Amino acid sequence: KNQVEQSPQSLIILEGKNCTLQCNYTVSPFSNLRWYKQDTGRGPVSLTIMTFSENTKSNGRYTATLDADTKQSSLHITASQLSDSASYICVVSASWAGGTSYGKLTFGQGTILTVHP
Amino acid sequence: GAVVSQHPSWVICKSGTSVKIECRSLDFQATTMFWYRQFPKQSLMLMATSNEGSKATYEQGVEKDKFLINHASLTLSTLTVTSAHPEDSSFYICSARKFPAASYEQYFGPGTRLTVT
Repeated sequence: KNQVEQSPQSLIILEGKNCTLQCNYTVSPFSNLRWYKQDTGRGPVSLTIMTFSENTKSNGRYTATLDADTKQSSLHITASQLSDSASYICVVSASWAGGTSYGKLTFGQGTILTVHP
Repeated sequence: GAVVSQHPSWVICKSGTSVKIECRSLDFQATTMFWYRQFPKQSLMLMATSNEGSKATYEQGVEKDKFLINHASLTLSTLTVTSAHPEDSSFYICSARKFPAASYEQYFGPGTRLTVT
């Protein structure tokens, strides 16, 4: 069964500090891994997407890593800001299903990050 | 850009009535649109996948006669919750994949909060 596990479940940090969120997955065959930020009451917004051959990708203060061998990913946030308070969701996509043009996404439960002043 | 909108952003309806939620891709054509449901403090759960001009594919456990999906054009998909009950109260999010599907990206809408009284 395809699964995505995230840790920690929640995290509280002070503004300006760095933090790292973890994601382990058992999705097969693997296509790509995405990190999304979801503010309360809003839809997810993409931060990074990585395929099998990529092991790091940055988007501003967000840096994601991927180890396809151990099936682990991390999202590092540097110099946190109050606006970083949100749920961060790790999502893994299986390879395209045969000739059809969709790949099913498996969502992690998310890490709720709270940044305090 | 790749903007997906949803309408309404929130709706309150009485038990037994039907509610229609629209999902539009504003600046691109979407081969495929996805409908998700998210309960408080839980991750997104895929309800169904819709391809323009064909019947939607529902996930196991999702009643297709209760959650009617119509993907009439490459920019519009609608989800109708029929005979709504309080347990249908949830956050409904759609996403869209561009046509042609040149990337892995799914673009999410801002979500619709449904409350059934």
